[in-house]
Amino acid sequence: GESVGLHLPTLSVQEGDNSIINCAYSNSASDYFIWYKQESGKGPQFIIDIRSNMDKRQGQRVTVLLNKTVKHLSLQIAATQPGDSAVYFCAESNFNKFYFGSGTKLNVKP
Amino acid sequence: DAGVIQSPRHEVTEMGQEVTLRCKPISGHDYLFWYRQTMMRGLELLIYFNNNVPIDDSGMPEDRFSAKMPNASFSTLKIQPSEPRDSAVYFCASSFAARRSTDTQYFGPGTRLTVL
Repeated sequence: GESVGLHLPTLSVQEGDNSIINCAYSNSASDYFIWYKQESGKGPQFIIDIRSNMDKRQGQRVTVLLNKTVKHLSLQIAATQPGDSAVYFCAESNFNKFYFGSGTKLNVKP
Repeated sequence: DAGVIQSPRHEVTEMGQEVTLRCKPISGHDYLFWYRQTMMRGLELLIYFNNNVPIDDSGMPEDRFSAKMPNASFSTLKIQPSEPRDSAVYFCASSFAARRSTDTQYFGPGTRLTVL
């Protein structure tokens, strides 16, 4: 499959632990943010989104936190499972254009 | 729904040849996006369409690249002539939104292009 970069930051966690993946975005005018998961050989898959009028949103086992003051986004995965192993991207949107971060590789150790 | 469909899944061609990548968006989606993903540059937006009309092609690397959307269910990305540095995975994505901020984009499986 495809890897995003030779020097992707990597987060290794034990199965069952919680994972936190961080992302810094660049444009203070961005008003919509998405986290994507990309497994080897596949296209990015939507996980969760958040609009700029919120600071927290929860899904099933995932939570996204938005700190507009420091332009920071985080993805929390509860009870990480081997199937969570993938590259995770954050994306910011401004006027219908998305800008993707370089990604973080999550390794889940059994 | 079958999701976004892309073809071919893999393409190997020689430098100088024309390459055409195809995409069928999710039915009812009115936005279509073409992205390129490489190891060095990550995921880059090339062009996007709204209701079959190209809105922003500022990400298209050069004149060798062109994209069309003749109808709501089909789009092509063409590279002519192709060069080795065009080798990448090309993704098509579609979304449904009429708001200021685009709704969630759904990605196809990608076309892995190798130019020898």
